Parts: sequence; structure tokens; C-alpha cells
Amino acid sequence: ETGVTQTPRHLVMGMTNKKSLKCEQHLGHNAMYWYKQSAKKPLELMFVYSLEERVENNSVPSRFSPECPNSSHLFLHLHTLQPEDSALYLCASSQDLGGGSNSPLHFGNGTRLTVT
Amino acid sequence: AQSVTQLGSHVSVSEGALVLLRCNYSSSVPPYLFWYVQYPNQGLQLLLKYTSAATLVKGINGFEAEFKKSETSFHLTKPSAHMSDAAEYFCAVREMDSSYKLIFGSGTRLLVRP
Repeated sequence: ETGVTQTPRHLVMGMTNKKSLKCEQHLGHNAMYWYKQSAKKPLELMFVYSLEERVENNSVPSRFSPECPNSSHLFLHLHTLQPEDSALYLCASSQDLGGGSNSPLHFGNGTRLTVT
Repeated sequence: AQSVTQLGSHVSVSEGALVLLRCNYSSSVPPYLFWYVQYPNQGLQLLLKYTSAATLVKGINGFEAEFKKSETSFHLTKPSAHMSDAAEYFCAVREMDSSYKLIFGSGTRLLVRP
């Protein structure tokens, strides 16, 4: 059983829809992340939060909007997406964020998003 | 800048054979190195990590990896493959004294033949 839970597991949405992805971690970690996993491409870091403060916005289009209301929850709000945004969206957490940390990432099982 | 190269997007072995998945990294400072495994329809799970304590690192499920600074490599091995090892494997690097960013390789899909 993973300590990081993502819902929904699958999501199909039209380009004009608005939806949200949810992530919850039960590990007491201080940092949370959103990654995008597309076929045949390395994992792309999208957003990083440390103690509820955003520390990374990796040139992600504004149609993706993250929210971290507390250290246990992370959301990714989606609106007016494009078909190329179809991918597996992975949430992860780690104990610490600081430079040089050897804290591994703990991943959820992801949300498989299809944009039609 | 950090980077990770995984040689071979697919590796196929027979059950019981040696597993060798290759990873080379580029880093201007000593790195932390990680191997993750992803089973179908799941997220990534940590297999093992190198943190400079020992060059040979043992992980879960019988896997191990050896850090070779002179070759800038961190190859993953397992003496005898099981059918349950079929999955995608990712190597990742993080610089020890600076960035918190974890840079992933493109992944290697391991196929295990009966």
C-alpha cells in the first residue's frame, strides 16, 4: 500500500472542461511534487511545494494550476487542456526538500489523464 | 548540469538469467543516485539509493547497484531474473550539495521470458 494516494485513477475530459487531480500523503513529509509522465519521455517535474510554499514552477503552461492547502494535500487544477496533455500525472512526496537531500521520493499510483 | 542516460529502452532476459540495466550520469559535483521501478498501472517505487556510504548498494527484491566514479556509472544488476521483475526501471540523479531536483533517465523496460 502506498503512503501517497491519488484520485481519480483515470480521467477523461474534453478540452473545455475543468477538473482537478487530488493527492494526499500519509507519511508526514514536508515536500510534495507533481510530475508528468508521457510515453517515451523522461519524467517531467512540473511543480514542487515545500511546507505549503511553491518552490518550483518548471515552465508549465497556465492551464495547469497547483494548490497546496496543507502539507498533506496537493491538487492540480486543469482547464482548457490540449490533447498533448494526455499523460500519467504522478504525485510524490519526500521528507525534506533542502539542497543535497538524499530523501527519496515516494510516489502515488498516478492519474491517467486523457484529453479528447 | 545533471543528466542521466539509460542505455537500452528495452532489455529482454530469460527467467533465471542475469539482469543488467545500465545507467550513466553526468554531474559536476558528487551525486546522490537512485533506481526506481514502475510496475504496470502503478507509480514509481524506490529500489535502492547511493548516498556515498558504500559503493555497492543493495536494494529490495534482490537488486543491487555499484557506483563507479571513474566510469560515471550506476548499473543495476540481479543475479537471477524472475517473471515478477518485468517492469520499467528508472535511474535518477540529484546533486549532493545543491539542487533538490531529481533528474530521471528515460527508463528501461525489462522483459522476462519464461
